[in-house]
Amino acid sequence: QKEVEQDPGPLSVPEGAIVSLNCTYSNSAFQYFMWYRQYSRKGPELLMYTYSSGNKEDGRFTAQVDKSSKYISLFIRDSQPSDSATYLCAMSAYVGSQGNLIFGKGTKLSVKP
Amino acid sequence: GAVVSQHPSWVICKSGTSVKIECRSLDFQATTMFWYRQFPKQSLMLMATSNEGSKATYEQGVEKDKFLINHASLTLSTLTVTSAHPEDSSFYICSARDGEAFFGQGTRLTVV
Repeated sequence: QKEVEQDPGPLSVPEGAIVSLNCTYSNSAFQYFMWYRQYSRKGPELLMYTYSSGNKEDGRFTAQVDKSSKYISLFIRDSQPSDSATYLCAMSAYVGSQGNLIFGKGTKLSVKP
Repeated sequence: GAVVSQHPSWVICKSGTSVKIECRSLDFQATTMFWYRQFPKQSLMLMATSNEGSKATYEQGVEKDKFLINHASLTLSTLTVTSAHPEDSSFYICSARDGEAFFGQGTRLTVV
């Protein structure tokens, strides 16, 4: 079993839809969870950063962490064509500069006008 | 948020030559930086962890002599692809953590 599992998609939704992206993981030591958006041929851009279980909201984006189920989600409300990108989940057991992140494979999202 | 700058954004080189990629943390000090490789439609694959003032830690299967990493200061790490071959063509990305991880823009390397 891989440490982080993420459905690669592709996921296609109409503009305005609510998008749900998910990752599961196996390492119970993970405490720090991140979601990145990556456009083609660009470096990943941090969207959300959460610590431990709970919800965090930022504009149209909501990140959820359920450590008991080892499951994290990213919700995008009122999706826009500009949200079309690959979304990567990432997690780490460590804070700060010393800890590497473990990434999911990424889910490719396409929002149709 | 913190910014990590990577240069060049793309490079084309001849087979057998070496290419250097720079990664800079612009507004924070990074004792550790990470170098990734990404193949088309694949996720990021960690190549090595760059440690300021000491040797880099390479992931299994990554050739140390081929991918030379230097982390001479708290804001700069470099990756040199030596004696590049077409199979080294890929997208290389660096990152540094300041709490959350920030990524460079990536470098598209094409070896012809």
